[in-house]
Amino acid sequence: AQKITQTQPGMFVQEKEAVTLDCTYDTSDPSYGLFWYKQPSSGEMIFLIYQGSYDQQNATEGRYSLNFQKARKSANLVISASQLGDSAMYFCAMRGSSGGYQKVTFGTGTKLQVIP
Amino acid sequence: EAGVVQSPRYKIIEKKQPVAFWCNPISGHNTLYWYLQNLGQGPELLIRYENEEAVDDSQLPKDRFSAERLKGVDSTLKIQPAELGDSAVYLCASSLQPPALPGLAANEQFFGPGTRLTVL
Repeated sequence: AQKITQTQPGMFVQEKEAVTLDCTYDTSDPSYGLFWYKQPSSGEMIFLIYQGSYDQQNATEGRYSLNFQKARKSANLVISASQLGDSAMYFCAMRGSSGGYQKVTFGTGTKLQVIP
Repeated sequence: EAGVVQSPRYKIIEKKQPVAFWCNPISGHNTLYWYLQNLGQGPELLIRYENEEAVDDSQLPKDRFSAERLKGVDSTLKIQPAELGDSAVYLCASSLQPPALPGLAANEQFFGPGTRLTVL
């Protein structure tokens, strides 16, 4: 079975500062994929960034980067230069095998609030 | 390009009543997912379709929940009868392909806005 843990229920960050959202995972699969999604108050989940377990370099997408530490089983999201529009729920997710199926498992999320 | 469309956005019903949710995925996306999201939690998969075939319904409570995707495009999720504990957001998502081997392309899922169900 696979498991995603997000230990920060809520985070505050000053506008224009960087913030790190923590994510740890547990799996026995030798290969897997890791995702981060943003969910604003409107409810729609928005894909932000992806890291494959065999990718040698950490993924980056604009202001988002994924700090992937395979030995520690962590996949933290770093948002640089925070903006007010970054205020939302952020979910870490992992794609791997579960119950004989390939499926994506989500964490419980972190609520980020950007302060002007 | 239109995203994943869901309707209704909100639904309020009394317990024991039936309810149905509709989802139209992104054009060309063969894989469709229905998720349940309780307040303060991440989405949990209910069922996954590849074209018209349900290939993972292990988490679907089959005594009261049913789903269909007859022509391999849009899909309907039904609850009959609804219970108080079914109050949640029901999310639909689609992806171009089935979940690929991990480590390959992202093949990310695109989500709709969800249907917020309140059972009184």
